[in-house]
Amino acid sequence: DTAVSQTPKYLVTQMGNDKSIKCEQNLGHDTMYWYKQDSKKFLKIMFSYNNKELIINETVPNRFSPKSPDKAHLNLHINSLELGDSAVYFCASSRQGDQPQHFGDGTRLSIL
Amino acid sequence: AQSVTQPDIHITVSEGASLELRCNYSYGATPYLFWYVQSPGQGLQLLLKYFSGDTLVQGIKGFEAEFKRSQSSFNLRKPSVHWSDAAEYFCAVGPQRGQNFVFGPGTRLSVLP
Repeated sequence: DTAVSQTPKYLVTQMGNDKSIKCEQNLGHDTMYWYKQDSKKFLKIMFSYNNKELIINETVPNRFSPKSPDKAHLNLHINSLELGDSAVYFCASSRQGDQPQHFGDGTRLSIL
Repeated sequence: AQSVTQPDIHITVSEGASLELRCNYSYGATPYLFWYVQSPGQGLQLLLKYFSGDTLVQGIKGFEAEFKRSQSSFNLRKPSVHWSDAAEYFCAVGPQRGQNFVFGPGTRLSVLP
């Protein structure tokens, strides 16, 4: 059973489009995260949710909007995609905010 | 603000050789420290963590790390590297006291047969 699952695994789309990435965890964790990993493998946190409430909102364009319908899901919606949005996006979860995080396999977003 | 540095961008070792990956952090108090491994096309997997207590921590896959407060370091070691250890390794700090979870830039490990 996959602990943290993201869909889709690959996403190829054109500039200006709107897209969503879904994330689900079956670990019963309270905290979920979205990270962006750039082409140099640098990993930066974007958002953190605890029990469906936003805890961390790093300096991210407001074109990115996370949505947490319940504790097990944290989806990422991106409006008006730009070339610079091309990256791998990782979802993660942890029992509490200071506990080790479990990562999904990532979604590779490519903007044409 | 807390930060993490990994001085080595890329390390190459022969299979069977020992390994040490360096990690230095900047934080005002005793940090929570982690090492993660990322295989190609995969997400990050936790190797080990340090919260408190014994400064030498054991992890999965034969890895260990030692917390040295005086050097602000948390270096990862393995006595004998296997070809399957080739991957990207990330050191991470936190979060505590309102600070975010911060990852280092990563060290890519290549293993020669």
